[in-house]
Formats: sequence, structure tokens, C-alpha cells
Amino acid sequence: ETGVTQTPRHLVMGMTNKKSLKCEQHLGHNAMYWYKQSAKKPLELMFVYNFKEQTENNSVPSRFSPECPNSSHLFLHLHTLQPEDSALYLCASSQGWTENTIYFGEGSWLTVV
Amino acid sequence: AQSVTQLDSQVPVFEEAPVELRCNYSSSVSVYLFWYVQYPNQGLQLLLKYLSGSTLVKGINGFEAEFNKSQTSFHLRKPSVHISDTAEYFCAVKDTNAGKSTFGDGTTLTVKP
Repeated sequence: ETGVTQTPRHLVMGMTNKKSLKCEQHLGHNAMYWYKQSAKKPLELMFVYNFKEQTENNSVPSRFSPECPNSSHLFLHLHTLQPEDSALYLCASSQGWTENTIYFGEGSWLTVV
Repeated sequence: AQSVTQLDSQVPVFEEAPVELRCNYSSSVSVYLFWYVQYPNQGLQLLLKYLSGSTLVKGINGFEAEFNKSQTSFHLRKPSVHISDTAEYFCAVKDTNAGKSTFGDGTTLTVKP
């Protein structure tokens, strides 16, 4: 139990589908993150939210749309994805976005067909 | 800007042998340093971190790392590994005044019987 829960753990979607990844943290943190982990590539930071406000968007394509309704929940809405978007998407949280330790969820495996 | 280089992409070792996973970083400002571990089909979890003080940092599962400022290194060591240590290990740095962490490409540690 990491304190950061992601659902679904596995998702297969077609390129024309719309789906969402959900993340919930039970640690009382106020910063949340989405990372993308692809095979043979370094971990890529996608978005950062601090107190529900987006503080970082690392040039992520608009087919990925984050939503942070409160400090405990983070969504990643997906639409018209490409096969190269297949990856492990990791949600994480920390106590403040300058806080040192990031706590990760177990990830959502996404396959785009 | 900062960068992290993990010098070995794969490290195979036999059970009960010592291991060192190497990490070098580059930064124009003061940084915090971290090692995370990712077991198969799981998210990342913190092994240890260096914030300040003693340059030898002890973490979970018998791992330790030494911060060497002159060589800008933060190598991870364990005197005797177990099969269960088989995982991906990530070194990360964070600017002490900013929120964004930079991760290395990862080192796959495989412990053989």
C-alpha cells in the first residue's frame, strides 16, 4: 500500500476512444504529478498540480488532458491517442511541490491499438 | 538545468555478492539526491535520499549511498544482495529551490542464484 492509488491498472484503448486514468492519494499531500514511463526512455514528467493549480506542463500533446478537482484526486483524460502513447503512466504526490520525496502509485499500463 | 547519468544500464550479479550502481549528476545549483526502486509491475518507491549533513546515507533493505560533491556522484551500494533485490533502480536529483525532479534512465539490477 503506497498511499497513492491508480485505476485502472491496465487499459487497452483504440485510437478513437476516450478514456480516463484516475489517481487518488491518501497521504494528505497537496502536490500531484503525472509521469510517463516508456520502455528504454527516462521517466518523463508530464504535469504538476500544486493545491489544485497546474504549475507545470512539459509540452504534453493536447490529446492528454489533466484534471485536478481537489488535492486528493488527479485525472488524466485521454482521447485520439497514438500507438506511441502506449506506456506506463505513473501518478505521484508530495507534501508541497518543492518537497523532497515523491510518493508514486503503482501505475496504469496503457496500450493504444 | 540539471542532468543525471546512470552509468550502467544493466548490472547482473550473483546472490550474496556486493553491488554498486553508479550515478553522476550535473547541476549549477545545490541539489537533493535520491535513489528510487521499481519492482516488476509496480511504481517507484524511495530507497534513500541525501538532503544535507553526513554524506553517507543509509536506506531501506540494506542499501546505502555516498554523496561525493567533488565528483558529483551518488553511487548506491549494498554489501550482499538477495534475489528479491532484482528491480530497476533510478537515481534522481532535485534543485533545492525548485519542485521538478530529474530522473536517470535507470539501472536494471538482476540478481542470479
